[in-house]
Amino acid sequence: TQLLEQSPQFLSIQEGENLTVYCNSSSVFSSLQWYRQEPGEGPVLLVTVVTGGEVKKLKRLTFQFGDARKDSSLHITAAQPGDTGLYLCAGPFYNQGGKLIFGQGTELSVKP
Amino acid sequence: NAGVTQTPKFRILKIGQSMTLQCTQDMNHNYMYWYRQDPGMGLKLIYYSVGAGITDKGEVPNGYNVSRSTTEDFPLRLELAAPSQTSVYFCASSRNLDAEAFFGQGTRLTVV
Repeated sequence: TQLLEQSPQFLSIQEGENLTVYCNSSSVFSSLQWYRQEPGEGPVLLVTVVTGGEVKKLKRLTFQFGDARKDSSLHITAAQPGDTGLYLCAGPFYNQGGKLIFGQGTELSVKP
Repeated sequence: NAGVTQTPKFRILKIGQSMTLQCTQDMNHNYMYWYRQDPGMGLKLIYYSVGAGITDKGEVPNGYNVSRSTTEDFPLRLELAAPSQTSVYFCASSRNLDAEAFFGQGTRLTVV
């Protein structure tokens, strides 16, 4: 059973298109994190959302935390080839001993 | 700034051999994690630690062991390597569960 469900798993789009990636769970989170990973490297944090309904912007990336704090989304406007990579959401599970669990990831390919 | 350091970067093991993946961090973080990542997939938690002397199983602990004798070090032990353990292994650390996780560069392990 996947504790954090990410969708879609793969996304191939043309430069200039918009896209949204979703991260869903049946659990309530104190926070959710979004990471980006490039080939051969470890994931790097993009943003942490902590308040239900919160919206954070990072240039062309918009992150939203659901009102019930069970889900989050990442929206990219006018995608560029440099956005290509693996996007991962992660959440802390305090009620299971305190561990950080990741979703399956969304592999994004932006073609020029 | 060293951050999280993993060694080795690459290793080829024969079935049945043993090895230890080393991980050290210099940020005085209490939380440390070991993940494995299969091609095109997210991160699966193997073991984690919330402080020196405390370790616990993650999602996929079978075939692995860990210890945490100091705050800085969190080695991962493979006792009897199997082809199913071929993967990329990442060590990470964080100040707490809601804080940014910092990752090492990864260890690419092949079991033949």
